[in-house]
Amino acid sequence: EPEVTQTPSHQVTQMGQEVILRCVPISNHLYFYWYRQILGQKVEFLVSFYNNEISEKSEIFDDQFSVERPDGSNFTLKIRSTKLEDSAMYFCASREQRGTLNEQFFGPGTRLTVL
Amino acid sequence: AQSVSQHNHHVILSEAASLELGCNYSYGGTVNLFWYVQYPGQHLQLLLKYFSGDPLVKGIKGFEAEFIKSKFSFNLRKPSVQWSDTAEYFCAVENAGNNRKLIWGLGTSLAVNP
Repeated sequence: EPEVTQTPSHQVTQMGQEVILRCVPISNHLYFYWYRQILGQKVEFLVSFYNNEISEKSEIFDDQFSVERPDGSNFTLKIRSTKLEDSAMYFCASREQRGTLNEQFFGPGTRLTVL
Repeated sequence: AQSVSQHNHHVILSEAASLELGCNYSYGGTVNLFWYVQYPGQHLQLLLKYFSGDPLVKGIKGFEAEFIKSKFSFNLRKPSVQWSDTAEYFCAVENAGNNRKLIWGLGTSLAVNP
């Protein structure tokens, strides 16, 4: 069964460093999402991406964040200068197509620890 | 603003006990409703979903949920839990528009004792 994959599973970085979290969505999916979950808090929407552009972003997704689909298979989330409060589990999700009765499929997550 | 509330954060049950997890949402428009489950060390996976039609939906592993529009609720139920149901359960709501981002509840940690 096809699944969403994410790498790395755990990333430790120093405050101020750039990190790139990688996701490989399911191959025929067209909508892509990033969510994050800070320990003890709700899962929060960060950004959705469709047709090679951001379709919606949350207040959390400021200028420090960017997303890219560089090669038609990977979907990356970049944090330019990490802060302590960026420590969280980051989930990637993908969905088959818009406007139909389908759900998002999630990757296993990347745990980001900012020291 | 849209929000989702799950009433029970930690639930401990014995095997064969019945389960009901509460979920309420606030959103004025048309919504799609989901329960996701995360077993220890595994991905978030879909347990069941509601888009329209019969408000009582059945999911995997004997779970069901009932959408009560007047109460803005989508409670999850299972008549008899098993040890293997030990997991984190998340209620999520999406607007029925184009982007369909998910708004999540805090999650309920269920522990089933054998």
